[in-house]
Amino acid sequence: AQRVTQPEKLLSVFKGAPVELKCNYSYSGSPELFWYVQYSRQRLQLLLRHISRESIKGFTADLNKGETSFHLKKPFAQEEDSAMYYCAPLAPDDKIIFGKGTRLHILP
Amino acid sequence: DVKVTQSSRYLVKRTGEKVFLECVQDMDHENMFWYRQDPGLGLRLIYFSYDVKMKEKGDIPEGYSVSREKKERFSLILESASTNQTSMYLCASSSVLFGQHTGELFFGEGSRLTVL
Repeated sequence: AQRVTQPEKLLSVFKGAPVELKCNYSYSGSPELFWYVQYSRQRLQLLLRHISRESIKGFTADLNKGETSFHLKKPFAQEEDSAMYYCAPLAPDDKIIFGKGTRLHILP
Repeated sequence: DVKVTQSSRYLVKRTGEKVFLECVQDMDHENMFWYRQDPGLGLRLIYFSYDVKMKEKGDIPEGYSVSREKKERFSLILESASTNQTSMYLCASSSVLFGQHTGELFFGEGSRLTVL
């Protein structure tokens, strides 16, 4: 079965420290991969997609096909980064299946 | 500004009641989705639709049905609500570009359903 795994339910990081949110997928082929974010009391929204290779709010994500990973990284955490983060591959049948999410908590 | 609107933010229903959750998007998107969001389980896909009157089952369709009579509207129906359907329900839409799903979902604010 096609799956996406986010191993950490909760990640606490001090402000200014580096952040890495892990995502592993088990899809065949080369799925397009996305990170979505949900800030407190806001809608779930797209953070970034691997195909655009953008840096959004200081976050980047590199697709590693060998390790089938798409980890989200930021060199220096900020308090406003506290949120729920979801990794989500686009499957060949056009379904978008989300991981269980990682809650990122930035400590002052 | 793109908009996905879910008509009910909070609902409280009794076991066995029929429940309708409505979702409207104003972006002329082809695809629409219903997810439920539960702590520790993330978002799970219930149904999606890639065109009017078309629907596809997601990972957890049991106990749910959907209706898409117009492009802009996608309804989720709980024929006989049960307590294990207490959840946050999220509607989303996305577009197709050059025949391919863009993959970018636009979400509504969610409908929190409590079944007593």
